Amino acid sequence: NAGVMQNPRHLVRRRGQEARLRCSPMKGHSHVYWYRQLPEEGLKFMVYLQKENIIDESGMPKERFSAEFPKEGPSILRIQQVVRGDSAAYFCASSPLHSGLNNEQFFGPGTRLTVL
Amino acid sequence: GQQLNQSPQSMFIQEGEDVSMNCTSSSIFNTWLWYKQDPGEGPVLLIALYKAGELTSNGRLTAQFGITRKDSFLNISASIPSDVGIYFCAGPPYGGATNKLIFGTGTLLAVQP
Repeated sequence: NAGVMQNPRHLVRRRGQEARLRCSPMKGHSHVYWYRQLPEEGLKFMVYLQKENIIDESGMPKERFSAEFPKEGPSILRIQQVVRGDSAAYFCASSPLHSGLNNEQFFGPGTRLTVL
Repeated sequence: GQQLNQSPQSMFIQEGEDVSMNCTSSSIFNTWLWYKQDPGEGPVLLIALYKAGELTSNGRLTAQFGITRKDSFLNISASIPSDVGIYFCAGPPYGGATNKLIFGTGTLLAVQP
């Protein structure tokens, strides 16, 4: 499967616990984006990363949320001390280019986080 | 911030009918992307548009980039049950420094066999 991979597909956490969501981009893609989707809503941008760099985190909540994309391994979206309002589907997308005409992003299947 | 409004919000049609949905913005977009999302899955890219006035087809799907650069439409001809899902338009904000996408509100399509 050469597509974007995310795991776990489903994650259940109790309030106050930490959630770690992982994303492996498509082969050859070095740009990763994280989006959040609340029930019956569209996707909302959170953060854009390249290898070892955060390029745009304008959509990230100021507290408890962090993201990284290390030189080796998947991108990680980390949510500390989760609250019920964090329950949502979190999608990762990847693209091969930053600028130019090709803005196409390819999405993974998502991680559905449920906070009890 | 920039917003994308989609209409209709939902559509319930019979198999074989043609479908048309559109996406509008109060500001300019340089790229329009149309995605389909099935329940429990991530969005799948259907069509990408890069030039004002551009008309692009992908099988039974046709999309156009509006001349004003503030709208786009998606047509589906001869709908089939597997067309069921939520259709989103999306694009990077004009003048933005990065490729983050703004997504529309979505159009839910239901097709009755």
